[in-house]
This record gives sequence, C-alpha cells and structure tokens, in this order.
Amino acid sequence: GENVEQHPSTLSVQEGDSAVIKCTYSDSASNYFPWYKQELGKGPQLIIDIRSNVGEKKDQRIAVTLNKTAKHFSLHITETQPEDSAVYFCAARSQGNLIFGKGTKLSVKP
Amino acid sequence: GAVVSQHPSRVICKSGTSVKIECRSLDFQATTMFWYRQFPKQSLMLMATSNEGSKATYEQGVEKDKFLINHASLTLSTLTVTSAHPEDSSFYICSARDPQGVPPYEQYFGPGTRLTVT
Repeated sequence: GENVEQHPSTLSVQEGDSAVIKCTYSDSASNYFPWYKQELGKGPQLIIDIRSNVGEKKDQRIAVTLNKTAKHFSLHITETQPEDSAVYFCAARSQGNLIFGKGTKLSVKP
Repeated sequence: GAVVSQHPSRVICKSGTSVKIECRSLDFQATTMFWYRQFPKQSLMLMATSNEGSKATYEQGVEKDKFLINHASLTLSTLTVTSAHPEDSSFYICSARDPQGVPPYEQYFGPGTRLTVT
C-alpha cells in the first residue's frame, strides 16, 4: 500500500521568509496530492492540491511541485506570516483513500 | 471550497454511554464520507469509509460494533461510539469527497468533535 513520508516534523522561520515542506510517496499509481493546514483544535483545511498530470501549481503565496519520477512533492510558502503558523499535512491518493504524512509544525516568528 | 459541518464540536460523556456525532456536507452531495480519529500531535488515522446507502468499510483494527457508522443520505453521515470508555477519548473528524469536477475529487474535512469520556 501507499506510504507517505513528510519532512521536517518541525519548522521555524522568521516572518517574511519562505518555508518548504517535502513529502515522498511510494505508490507510483498515486494521482492526487493535497496539502492540508490544521490549526489547533480545528479540522484540516485543504489549501492546495496537485494532480499527477501537472508539475506545479500556485495559488498566491502557496505553491506545490510534483516530481513523479522521484515520487516526491513539496509545499512552498513565500512571504510567511504569523497566521501561517499551523500543522501542515501532505497526503497521497491512489485508487482509494488518502494516506497522510505525519505532519509538519510550522512556526512563523514575528 | 466545499463545506463540511460536524456536530457537536465537543462532548463529554460518562463511561458506558453512547455518543452520536453528525457530519453534513452543506453545499454538495457526498456519495463517500470518511471518519478519522486523531490523537494529540499525531496524524489522521482513517477509521472507516461510508458510501451512501451501503455498509461502511472499516479499517483493520477498528471495531465496527463499537463505532457504528450510518450514511443515510447524500449529505449526512453519523458516527456512534457505543459503550464509550476513557480510551475512546479523542478528536474525531469526518471528511467528504466532493464529486463535482474532474476526478480525482477533492476531499474536505469537518471541524472535528472532541470526545471526552469520564
């Protein structure tokens, strides 16, 4: 079955800097890769996703890249703000369910 | 994005009682809904997948007689924790797949329910 590895587990950046979170997956049949932001005590919020037929997708300060050959995908947040502080989860889906990484706690220091 | 609601947000119950959690897709019809459990500082663990009008599919290790799932309509799924015990205390989150647009479909999460069993 699918296995998703996520790094780093914690990330601290200064406000205005960029943050990058990386994930690798094992199932080459996976075709959908969403990223979720989870604030304390709340449910995960879908912030961006990418499908296997696309290499990069951008939405304002957030971008995701996908390398199918290497089976890894990354989340890039530019010009970070304190409100970006949260836990971010990557996930991969092949035929069935989403398989999640273990999460990255991002702290943006003002 | 699509909206998924969950009720209640918090519930405290006594050991041995049952608790029902509702999950609704507010602006789309969800043929497939999911129930997750999350322990503090951990990732989401899929408990079961429910398809409207059919029995839920439970993940290995999840007791189907303890966690009853009903997906009676395209906008409502319920999770009932039966004979709850303190070890069932956790954060339960539902999710729904939005079947609009081109597959693979996006999946949205509810705000979660914090269950505390005393």
